[in-house]
Amino acid sequence: EAQVTQNPRYLITVTGKKLTVTCSQNMNHEYMSWYRQDPGLGLRQIYYSMNVEVTDKGDVPEGYKVSRKEKRNFPLILESPSPNQTSLYFCASSLDWLTGIQYFGAGTRLSVL
Amino acid sequence: GNSVTQMEGPVTLSEEAFLTINCTYTATGYPSLFWYVQYPGEGLQLLLKATKADDKGSNKGFEATYRKETTSFHLEKGSVQVSDSAVYFCALRLTGGGNKLTFGTGTQLKVEL
Repeated sequence: EAQVTQNPRYLITVTGKKLTVTCSQNMNHEYMSWYRQDPGLGLRQIYYSMNVEVTDKGDVPEGYKVSRKEKRNFPLILESPSPNQTSLYFCASSLDWLTGIQYFGAGTRLSVL
Repeated sequence: GNSVTQMEGPVTLSEEAFLTINCTYTATGYPSLFWYVQYPGEGLQLLLKATKADDKGSNKGFEATYRKETTSFHLEKGSVQVSDSAVYFCALRLTGGGNKLTFGTGTQLKVEL
């Protein structure tokens, strides 16, 4: 089954404790992206990757890192989480960067205390 | 800058009622327009899209027409079901803008028996 898999689905952590949210897709998609969803703000792009070893900042990249060492994986790293990073995070992938059609994971709900 | 404005929710309807969710956009150039739907506990999934003026996207009984003159892409369905209860996001992608989607804030739809 074609899917985008995020782990964990739920995470509670404390300020400053490094964490990684994993994202994997099995569709051989070139393009992957991370979004955060906050009430009243919709989805905002954090980082995106157009292919292996090619990443770039989205609209709200501060406090986040990403890497794309393999085509299928695109982890989101929070080196020193802060409470304002409490949010619902979505990973998405797309066959290429032309269509705008993205496939989303089920989301990771993060709480930073 | 580019932006998408959606009507505020929640929108509560009885089953078989007519649905309209308004979406207007501001963009330079000629964007592609999308409606994504998020069912409870799931990631977003593409509902329909339109790539140029006067195009009509349709899927699962939902329709939206790209109106360049009013910069709108309103979502409609003639007869909603309880299973349509979800959050609906309008989004745009600029031509030449890579795969970056700009989302509206989402409109929650609740359909009751």
